[in-house]
Amino acid sequence: KAGVTQTPRYLIKTRGQQVTLSCSPISGHRSVSWYQQTPGQGLQFLFEYFSETQRNKGNFPGRFSGRQFSNSRSEMNVSTLELGDSALYLCASRRTGGENYGYTFGSGTRLTVV
Amino acid sequence: AQTVTQSQPEMSVQEAETVTLSCTYDTSESDYYLFWYKQPPSRQMILVIRQEAYKQQNATENRFSVNFQKAAKSFSLKISDSQLGDAAMYFCAYRSPPTGANSKLTFGKGITLSVRP
Repeated sequence: KAGVTQTPRYLIKTRGQQVTLSCSPISGHRSVSWYQQTPGQGLQFLFEYFSETQRNKGNFPGRFSGRQFSNSRSEMNVSTLELGDSALYLCASRRTGGENYGYTFGSGTRLTVV
Repeated sequence: AQTVTQSQPEMSVQEAETVTLSCTYDTSESDYYLFWYKQPPSRQMILVIRQEAYKQQNATENRFSVNFQKAAKSFSLKISDSQLGDAAMYFCAYRSPPTGANSKLTFGKGITLSVRP
């Protein structure tokens, strides 16, 4: 069974550019969440999508956005990149239905902004 | 808002010995879920163990077990017979029940565990 796939693994961008990261969840998982991991702030929740709808959003500026497609694949976009956006971006998917299904994470995309 | 605290930034254990990683949390909710995740250098977060707050019995997964003290809001992870492959960063995480709108994971800062051969 394939896990959560995130692409690309590494990315280097210049300040002011925009970037799109992709996440393919485990087959059958309809919920996809995104997290930002930095040494200073740790793991912070960005947003969660379920059935193409954003269900929950973390405390990030509007430059951070995302979407989910009908096949549950998700993308997140960061516009007007800043140096502080350099981080590991993790995607997680989970089954839904009322049970305590744990999240399964991908290996992340390492974004470096120069 | 819920908070998760891991006060020990680093710990070290001898191979084959037992180590306990501490975690406390703060919440006003009565029902919630708690998790321990492991993040090795490969970066992928791996679920180690999970606990439902309504269950009094402590969760166990092979060499991993938890000591869940709901009144004290404490959720520690015990690793028995430590192996070299256990070396990683460990995160404690909290999640509200799925019926709530807030289904995100709230993580602690993590603890780096090293295993001495």
